[in-house]
Amino acid sequence: GQQLNQSPQSMFIQEGEDVSMNCTSSSIFNTWLWYKQDPGEGPVLLIALYKAGELTSNGRLTAQFGITRKDSFLNISASIPSDVGIYFCAGQLMIRGQGSGNTGKLIFGQGTTLQVKP
Amino acid sequence: DAGITQSPRHKVTETGTPVTLRCHQTENHRYMYWYRQDPGHGLRLIHYSYGVKDTDKGEVSDGYSVSRSKTEDFLLTLESATSSQTSVYFCAISSGIFSYEQYFGPGTRLTVT
Repeated sequence: GQQLNQSPQSMFIQEGEDVSMNCTSSSIFNTWLWYKQDPGEGPVLLIALYKAGELTSNGRLTAQFGITRKDSFLNISASIPSDVGIYFCAGQLMIRGQGSGNTGKLIFGQGTTLQVKP
Repeated sequence: DAGITQSPRHKVTETGTPVTLRCHQTENHRYMYWYRQDPGHGLRLIHYSYGVKDTDKGEVSDGYSVSRSKTEDFLLTLESATSSQTSVYFCAISSGIFSYEQYFGPGTRLTVT
């Protein structure tokens, strides 16, 4: 099946440092989403991207929709201990010729586990 | 927070027994999804629904069935549970109106012994 390659798999950083992670694919996507999951809870949507080249911020988080439509990046500035968790990218495939019958199915990356040392 | 609840939140069952997980939403969203999450595999789609009585398979649908008789409820059934179905199951919803943002429930941890 279709795959998203998310990297890095894990990061262990010092509080205050900036963080970058990305997702790449050989397929073209028309939507990119970034989620964060805390232990024992469901993923929470952080940022949604809908246009190639789009750059969107949510507080200390900034995400970009790659110009080729095959990748996306998430940056976290000045990390704090509550940033700890697993970050997932998710993309919706662009399917040629499909009109309004889109099902909204997403493909998820395998996640980046972030640990922050106070 | 999106109005999504899942029940039960935890369940332990024996191999070969039937199990039904329930997802309930109060958002009146058209689309509902069931995922399983396992270490090293991220979130994988089991089944999804695009309306009452309208469902389709995801990438890991073998051994699972679903039903949606009302907009607000989406049931996932394991007809005969196996140890390989031990996992955390998440339900998600989406309005599907110019937006494919999915919002997740709190999850159900299922252990099949």
